[in-house]
Amino acid sequence: EAGVAQSPRYKIIEKRQSVAFWCNPISGHATLYWYQQILGQGPKLLIQFQNNGVVDDSQLPKDRFSAERLKGVDSTLKIQPAKLEDSAVYLCASSVLTRGGEQYFGPGTRLTVT
Amino acid sequence: KNEVEQSPQNLTAQEGEFITINCSYSVGISALHWLQQHPGGGIVSLFMLSSGKKKHGRLIATINIQEKHSSLHITASHPRDSAVYICAVSPGSNYQLIWGAGTKLIIKP
Repeated sequence: EAGVAQSPRYKIIEKRQSVAFWCNPISGHATLYWYQQILGQGPKLLIQFQNNGVVDDSQLPKDRFSAERLKGVDSTLKIQPAKLEDSAVYLCASSVLTRGGEQYFGPGTRLTVT
Repeated sequence: KNEVEQSPQNLTAQEGEFITINCSYSVGISALHWLQQHPGGGIVSLFMLSSGKKKHGRLIATINIQEKHSSLHITASHPRDSAVYICAVSPGSNYQLIWGAGTKLIIKP
């Protein structure tokens, strides 16, 4: 079974530029999560999708971050414009269940904003 | 006080030693997760448990629901076990994981 795929693995941009991350969850997993993990901290949930609908985006900075999951499969997370404090690892995860299910994580995208 | 507390925060041991990492939580849960994160890498789910004990290779996870406590054990530790081990809980009331701060484990050859 293929795992959660993410790209790119690394990205370096200047502040005020835009960036997009892509995630392909495990086949059949209805729930998809985007997390932001700042160095030395635990992951922070940015947004959770159930199929192509948003379950929770309460911690997503909506003035600069956006995410979509068209057709309920792949998802993209965009930052526009990026700030220095956006430097982090962006993790995508998927699960079969919406509540309490085991989450499977992708390798993450390490973003550096200079 | 954090809802999920891990100890120790850092642990350095010699190859072959028996390792124990502890996790205590203060909320009602439907499941507890142990995850592993290597430096610069993604997160790997090791265990999800709601009662008793699970074993996978040299890793053992236990949970005591009454005491709201879980332990992760590593037998015959090896340098490749060096990573951050994270405890996270699925609260019974909603779907978001509550994450512990992680335990950074270094196994020296």
